[in-house]
Amino acid sequence: QITLKESGPTLVKPTQTLTLTCTFSGFSLSTSGVGVGWIRQPPGKALEWLALIYWNDDKRYSPSLKSRLTITKDTSKNQVVLTMTNMDPVDTATYYCAHLLGSGYYTFDYWGQGTLVTVSS
Amino acid sequence: QSALTQPRSVSGSPGQSVTISCTGTSSDVGGYNYVSWYQQHPGKAPKLMIYDVSKRPSGVPDRFSGSKSGNTASLTISGLQAEDEADYYCCSYAGSYTFGFGTGTKVTVL
Repeated sequence: QITLKESGPTLVKPTQTLTLTCTFSGFSLSTSGVGVGWIRQPPGKALEWLALIYWNDDKRYSPSLKSRLTITKDTSKNQVVLTMTNMDPVDTATYYCAHLLGSGYYTFDYWGQGTLVTVSS
Repeated sequence: QSALTQPRSVSGSPGQSVTISCTGTSSDVGGYNYVSWYQQHPGKAPKLMIYDVSKRPSGVPDRFSGSKSGNTASLTISGLQAEDEADYYCCSYAGSYTFGFGTGTKVTVL
C-alpha cells in the first residue's frame, strides 16, 4: 500500500526559503522507474506541477519556477525534499507530493493529503 | 508552458452524461498519449480517474471514460451521480519529463 505525507512549516515570511518533506511508504526510490513529484494548488485555484525526481536522481522542474526550486531525495529515509527560495504571498498554496505510476508512465497515481503553506509577514 | 484550457463549469442531472474538454497544443496534449484526469472533492487530495488518455485505474467506475482528438482531450461521465459533483483537472505530459495541468472544471449535479 502506497502512502505519502507532506510536512513542513505552515507559515513562512516573504523572501524566506520554504523546505517541504515528503515521507512515503509502500515503494522505494531506489527501484528502477520510480518517481516522486510535487504539485501545488493556491486556494480556490488550479493545480500546478512543480518538480519531479526519479530513482536515478534525474530531476525536472517547472520552467517558470526552475530558478527557485530544488528537489532532492534520501532513499534511506524514504523521503523527498523540495526547497523553494524567495517565497512570496502568491506562493501561498497547498503543496502535494505524489507517486509517479511507473516506468514509461507519466501519471501521478497516489497523492499525499497536502500541506497548506501561507506566505505572510 | 501555459495551463491547459478547460471549461470553468459543466452541469447535468442525475443519469445524464457530461463531457469535459481539455485543450492544449501539439507540444503537450496533441504530442503524447499521456493525458490523465483527476477528481477533487473540496478539501481533499486529487484522485486519479483516467490515465494514458483512456485507461481506468482499478476501482474507478466505468462511467468515467477518456478520449483525445488532436490537441483536445475529453473526460465523459455517463450516468451522472451525486457523488460525481467535484472539480476535475486534466494533466498532460509536455516532453522532457515535464507536466502541465488544466485550469479545472467544476461539475455540478443538478
